[in-house]
Amino acid sequence: AQSVAQPEDQVNVAEGNPLTVKCTYSVSGNPYLFWYVQYPNRGLQFLLKYITGDNLVKGSYGFEAEFNKSQTSFHLKKPSALVSDSALYFCAVRDKGGDYKLSFGAGTTVTVRA
Amino acid sequence: NAGVTQTPKFRVLKTGQSMTLLCAQDMNHEYMYWYRQDPGMGLRLIHYSVGEGTTAKGEVPDGYNVSRLKKQNFLLGLESAAPSQTSVYFCASSSGGTNTEAFFGQGTRLTVV
Repeated sequence: AQSVAQPEDQVNVAEGNPLTVKCTYSVSGNPYLFWYVQYPNRGLQFLLKYITGDNLVKGSYGFEAEFNKSQTSFHLKKPSALVSDSALYFCAVRDKGGDYKLSFGAGTTVTVRA
Repeated sequence: NAGVTQTPKFRVLKTGQSMTLLCAQDMNHEYMYWYRQDPGMGLRLIHYSVGEGTTAKGEVPDGYNVSRLKKQNFLLGLESAAPSQTSVYFCASSSGGTNTEAFFGQGTRLTVV
């Protein structure tokens, strides 16, 4: 079975400060990991993914994520948050050796205050 | 380039009524998914398909049926709607390979009264 945990329901940061959204995963094999963002009344938009190779992955809108196999984590980061980054963020995992199910975490609401 | 299109965007049903949600993708993707989104529970997989003519159960399949008669379409059916099925439903698709990201539709907000 595969699963994702996002331990924080909400993250609040001031504009210009670093932003981190946490994600841990569980798969029986090797993981493919994804981050998505959802703005109000919209579908999910893909931000970045980890497939293999460099543990630091760079994605859209200045976001990056660090894969840590020993801690089974894939935390999303942005060095300097913007008010427009306020949204709902989802981490997702797929087992490399499994079927094609894509499992999501419960989501983390990010609020960036001006 | 439409991507993934869901129809309808909003719907109110009475308990016991039936309906079908349509998902269409124009990216020639093999895999398609139906999720429901509920507050505090993230996205839960209802059913998915790995190709035309195939379907498989996800985490929460009870009360739903699906069909994938054409590669570009994935239908989600509710035979007898219940208030517990009030949710936002999202369809997604992805191309071949487990390392590919999914593309999402805009969602269908369903209320069962």
